[in-house]
Amino acid sequence: DAGVTQSPTHLIKTRGQHVTLRCSPISGHKSVSWYQQVLGQGPQFIFQYYEKEERGRGNFPDRFSARQFPNYSSELNVNALLLGDSALYLCASSSNFGFANTGELFFGEGSRLTVL
Amino acid sequence: AQSVTQLGSHVSVSEGALVLLRCNYSSSVPPYLFWYVQYPNQGLQLLLKYTTGATLVKGINGFEAEFKKSETSFHLTKPSAHMSDAAEYFCAVSAAGTASKLTFGTGTRLQVTL
Repeated sequence: DAGVTQSPTHLIKTRGQHVTLRCSPISGHKSVSWYQQVLGQGPQFIFQYYEKEERGRGNFPDRFSARQFPNYSSELNVNALLLGDSALYLCASSSNFGFANTGELFFGEGSRLTVL
Repeated sequence: AQSVTQLGSHVSVSEGALVLLRCNYSSSVPPYLFWYVQYPNQGLQLLLKYTTGATLVKGINGFEAEFKKSETSFHLTKPSAHMSDAAEYFCAVSAAGTASKLTFGTGTRLQVTL
């Protein structure tokens, strides 16, 4: 079975541009979360979506937005890119919201964004 | 609010030696605790987790961790290091009902030498 897949794997943008990152969860998983991992740091929570509704938001500016589609895939959008947005963006899926089941998040390999 | 402190950004051990990676947490509610491993250019893989019940938790690849409430700790151990254990290790905490909102530590890079 396929794991969490993310695209693109690498991309380079310039300041002020917009970026869209995509994530397909594991089949049957209804929850998708996004994390930002800046080089040398641990991942930071950005968003969680469950059943197409936003269920959690981290401390990120409004330039960051996301959505979840009927097939449970998700997009993360970042507008007006800043140099500090350069990071590995990780998507994670889980089968449920909360800890109804194992509470385990399955992570993709990430999309590495470089902002010049 | 929750937070995690990982003591030691870099740990180096010899192959066959004990691995000990330290994690202390802060949480205003009963915590759920996790250890993840990240190999270069890859995502995160769950090693083990504590939610409720037995405080000594066994995970994959021979790792285990013990939840000590009195010490607010969740240290990761492995009796004998292997070269393949070299990676970045992250401790994380969440509260029940917020499973997807993990708060991670800054990570510990484990180096294994011959």
